[in-house]
Amino acid sequence: SQTIHQWPATLVQPVGSPLSLECTVEGTSNPNLYWYRQAAGRGLQLLFYSVGIGQISSEVPQNLSASRPQDRQFILSSKKLLLSDSGFYLCAWSKGRWGASMYFGPGTRLTVL
Amino acid sequence: SQQGEEDPQALSIQEGENATMNCSYKTSINNLQWYRQNSGRGLVHLILIRSNEREKHSGRLRVTLDTSKKSSSLLITASRAADTASYFCATDAWDNNAGNMLTFGGGTRLMVKP
Repeated sequence: SQTIHQWPATLVQPVGSPLSLECTVEGTSNPNLYWYRQAAGRGLQLLFYSVGIGQISSEVPQNLSASRPQDRQFILSSKKLLLSDSGFYLCAWSKGRWGASMYFGPGTRLTVL
Repeated sequence: SQQGEEDPQALSIQEGENATMNCSYKTSINNLQWYRQNSGRGLVHLILIRSNEREKHSGRLRVTLDTSKKSSSLLITASRAADTASYFCATDAWDNNAGNMLTFGGGTRLMVKP
């Protein structure tokens, strides 16, 4: 069966510090991968998606970046965090076909102080 | 921007009552999905309804779709305290690069009181 992992689960970082969040998927190959951010009590904002190794599409211009060094690994990074980067970050995968469901990881709670 | 908008934003009911959440969207769709999110967790897929379907059931869940009104509803019957969660609708659109892309609404926060 497919599994999606995210780490760390929680993170508290000072403003201006770097960020690296990791997501890995098991049990499927060549998935579409996604990074979402969710503010408290709000909906999901799509940040990045990837349809293959090294292929990244950005939905929202900001100080975050994403990389996909391996088929089932998706990394969200920042060189210098802002207060506004605080939120709940969710990684997800999908097969990208019509009617395909999306499978979410457990999320990372990021607090920037 | 969000394609789907859920209504109400928050709903509080007693255990045993039915909960109805609505979703409105703007553009034509092929499928609409509903997801559930427990507090501090990832989203979990509940049910998918295709554009040529009007109603679908799964256990205590009943989903309806009215493409003429561009709206869908999720009904949870005989609610339980464990149903407390946020519920999101998601509509799809085809992207030539990414394939099927889902756009999520803002969600309805449901609280079921024991």
